[in-house]
Amino acid sequence: DGGITQSPKYLFRKEGQNVTLSCEQNLNHDAMYWYRQDPGQGLRLIYYSQIVNDFQKGDIAEGYSVSREKKESFPLTVTSAQKNPTAFYLCASSKVVVTRGGYEQYFGPGTRLTVT
Amino acid sequence: SQQGEEDPQALSIQEGENATMNCSYKTSINNLQWYRQNSGRGLVHLILIRSNEREKHSGRLRVTLDTSKKSSSLLITASRAADTASYFCATGDNYGQNFVFGPGTRLSVLP
Repeated sequence: DGGITQSPKYLFRKEGQNVTLSCEQNLNHDAMYWYRQDPGQGLRLIYYSQIVNDFQKGDIAEGYSVSREKKESFPLTVTSAQKNPTAFYLCASSKVVVTRGGYEQYFGPGTRLTVT
Repeated sequence: SQQGEEDPQALSIQEGENATMNCSYKTSINNLQWYRQNSGRGLVHLILIRSNEREKHSGRLRVTLDTSKKSSSLLITASRAADTASYFCATGDNYGQNFVFGPGTRLSVLP
């Protein structure tokens, strides 16, 4: 089955610890994204990557880091510098736009991170 | 930077009724997309409408786009309890990237 997987579904960490969230896709998409969603809110873009070994900051990148060493994988690290890390984290992928028109994003099931 | 804003924030209807949600945005867009999110799950893509299109249909869904008013609407006809979810609009810039999501409309369809 093609799709995006995120693991784990639930993650608990102590304050001050870094934590890495996994995102893998087998859709052969070039672009991958990380979003944060707080209760009752929309999605806010953390980082995105359009190609391997390249990524760009989104609107709320502070306290987060990413890597894109393989096309299939885009892990997100929530560092201890992130002031309020408890949230629902969603990973997505899409084709890269080569002409105007746009492509839909495919989302993973999300990881709910709780930091205490 | 928040681009799309859905209206209403919450909507409660009876099964069989139609549900209409609106989305307004501020700057020029390449495309506008609607997504559904069931509670605690990832988002599912519903429809993409491009800036040169005015209306699209998919099953019980109808999306309109008015670029002069910078607004879009999503109509769900003959709603079902399974349509209960949050609905988000997302706008894409002129390169189709940098999707910006609105805060969503929470739809409740009562049996």
